[in-house]
Parts: sequence; C-alpha cells; structure tokens
Amino acid sequence: DADVTQTPRNRITKTGKRIMLECSQTKGHDRMYWYRQDPGLGLRLIYYSFDVKDINKGEISDGYSVSRQAQAKFSLSLESAIPNQTALYFCATSDVSQGPQETQYFGPGTRLLVL
Amino acid sequence: GQSLEQPSEVTAVEGAIVQINCTYQTSGFYGLSWYQQHDGGAPTFLSYNALDGLEETGRFSSFLSRSDSYGYLLLQELQMKDSASYFCAVRDWEAAGNKLTFGGGTRVLVKP
Repeated sequence: DADVTQTPRNRITKTGKRIMLECSQTKGHDRMYWYRQDPGLGLRLIYYSFDVKDINKGEISDGYSVSRQAQAKFSLSLESAIPNQTALYFCATSDVSQGPQETQYFGPGTRLLVL
Repeated sequence: GQSLEQPSEVTAVEGAIVQINCTYQTSGFYGLSWYQQHDGGAPTFLSYNALDGLEETGRFSSFLSRSDSYGYLLLQELQMKDSASYFCAVRDWEAAGNKLTFGGGTRVLVKP
C-alpha cells in the first residue's frame, strides 16, 4: 500500500463550487504539506502543518483552507473554486527527526480542472 | 524571500552525461535538494547537499558551492528511464518552519 494517498485522483468541478481534496499517510510523520504544480512554475507551497495544532500559510494560500483532522490526515479545501485553480495538487509529508536533510514524501497527486 | 533558477529543458542521447545547474538566492541557506518527477508521477527525492562538494549516488551526483550559491545535478550514462523533470529545492532556516522552496524544474529528454 502507498504511504501517502490522495483522493480523488482526478476532479472536474465548476466555478463557485466548494471542493475538498484529502490526504492520508501511514508513514507516521508529523509534518504535512499541500503544494500546487503548474507547468514551468515548479511546486508552490499552499499550506503546511507541523503537527495537529500547527497550521501555517505557504506562499499561495489565498482561496484555500486546510484542516488537520489527525496526525495522518490533512485536507485542502477550495471554498469557491475558480478556473485559475486548475492545477495538479500534491500532498507531502516529512519527518522532523531526519534533521536538515528532511526528505519530503509526495502523494500521487490530484488533477483538478475548474470549468 | 527565496528564488531558484534552473534551465527549463535539456535534451541528450542515451549514454551521454547531462549537468543541470541551479543557482539560488536565499537569506539563510541550509541545504540544496534534488527531486525527480516522471510525467504523471509524484516527485521523489534524489539527493541533498549541505556542505560544499560532490555527493555521488550511483549514476547521479550532486554538487554544491555555498560561496557561489550554486549547485548542479549530474546524470551519467543516461538511460531512457531518466527522461523526467528534475527540481532543485532550497531549505532556508529563515523561512518560517524551515520549509522547502522549489525551482521551476528542468525537463530532461533522453533520445535513443
């Protein structure tokens, strides 16, 4: 079984709709992240959480919200989807005990299309 | 803030050597990481450099010069399966929460 899973894998929605993307991990990591990927722009951080009670905005948090329901679950919501939120979304986890090298482990991604 | 520059695309033939350069600007540098991403796949970790010098892992090597704010990923004995995008990323101790900032990625196309 995959260590980091994301649901759904693909989603088509309409402008103005609220949608939620979910991420679960079995790695036992405290840290979780949400990124979006657009062609040529690499991975940009939306939100990150270092434990269940710690939620932080990334560089592009406007229009998004998150919830850390448990150590293993981190969900991303688009309150009112707009077409420029069409992108590939990745969840990632990391283990602070690794020290500065702290590798991030990514889920398979959710491809979102907002019409 | 942080910024990273890397070439957008590189093409090479099987068996060749490819070097992907990455220059960065950051206020509190911790280290430079490299990730690989195949089309339709998730990024996966390749290497991490915190100190100057070359780190070798099989056919791939990564180099860092802290004084030049520069690093590179060297892909040797290229294989078709190496066709992918490669991202450099910096870890910045001044960035809240010690998080990664990624470059735009370099797409490597390996031809027969």
